Amino acid sequence: DSGVTQTPKHLITATGQRVTLRCSPRSGDLSVYWYQQSLDQGLQFLIQYYNGEERAKGNILERFSAQQFPDLHSELNLSSLELGDSALYFCASSVSRGGPDEQFFGPGTRLTVL
Amino acid sequence: ELKVEQNPLFLSMQEGKNYTIYCNYSTTSDRLYWYRQDPGKSLESLFVLLSNGAVKQEGRLMASLDTKARLSTLHITAAVHDLSATYFCAVEEGTSGSRLTFGEGTQLTVNP
Repeated sequence: DSGVTQTPKHLITATGQRVTLRCSPRSGDLSVYWYQQSLDQGLQFLIQYYNGEERAKGNILERFSAQQFPDLHSELNLSSLELGDSALYFCASSVSRGGPDEQFFGPGTRLTVL
Repeated sequence: ELKVEQNPLFLSMQEGKNYTIYCNYSTTSDRLYWYRQDPGKSLESLFVLLSNGAVKQEGRLMASLDTKARLSTLHITAAVHDLSATYFCAVEEGTSGSRLTFGEGTQLTVNP
C-alpha cells in the first residue's frame, strides 16, 4: 500500500458524459501527478500540481482538467467522454522539496466509456 | 522531447535463468526509476537511481545506471515465477516539474 488513495476504483459511463476522479496523496506529499495508461498509448503523464498550483502539463486533452485543493487532494475532471478515453488513470504523489522526487502511485481508477 | 525505449518488450524465461532488460533514453537525465506492475494493479516502486554508476540490488533484481550512455539495465538472477510482471523504467524530467516519461514496459513471464 503506497498511501495514495483513489476513488472510485471503477467507473462505467457513456460517451458524452462527464466524470470526476479523486486522489488523496500520501501524508506530507505536496505534489500530485495524473497519468493515463492505455493499451495503445502506454503510460502517459497528464498533469502535475504542487501545493495547489499547476506545475507541469503533459499530453492532457482540453476536455480534461484538474485541480488541487487546499487539503492537497486532487480531482481530475474528464468531460465530453469518448470511447478512446477508456483507460486506467493513476494518481501519484511525491514530496517535492528539492532533490530526487520518487513518485508513489495509487491503485488507479479504471474508466470504461461505452 | 524525451523518449524512453525498453527492450525486450516481451520476455519469456525459465525459472533459474538470468536475463537483462535494457532501458535507453534520449536526453540528459540522472534520475531513473524502475517500477513493477502486476496485471490490473498499480505501479510498485523498485529502484531509484540518481547518479552515474548507481547500482541497486533487491533480492534477485539488480538495477544500474550509466548516464553517459543514457542506459539503465535491470538484471534478473535465477528467475522465479513470482517475478512474472511488467517492468517499467521511467526517466524524470526536471526542467519543468518532476514528470516521469515511461518506457513501453517489458512483460516478463517466468515459466516453471
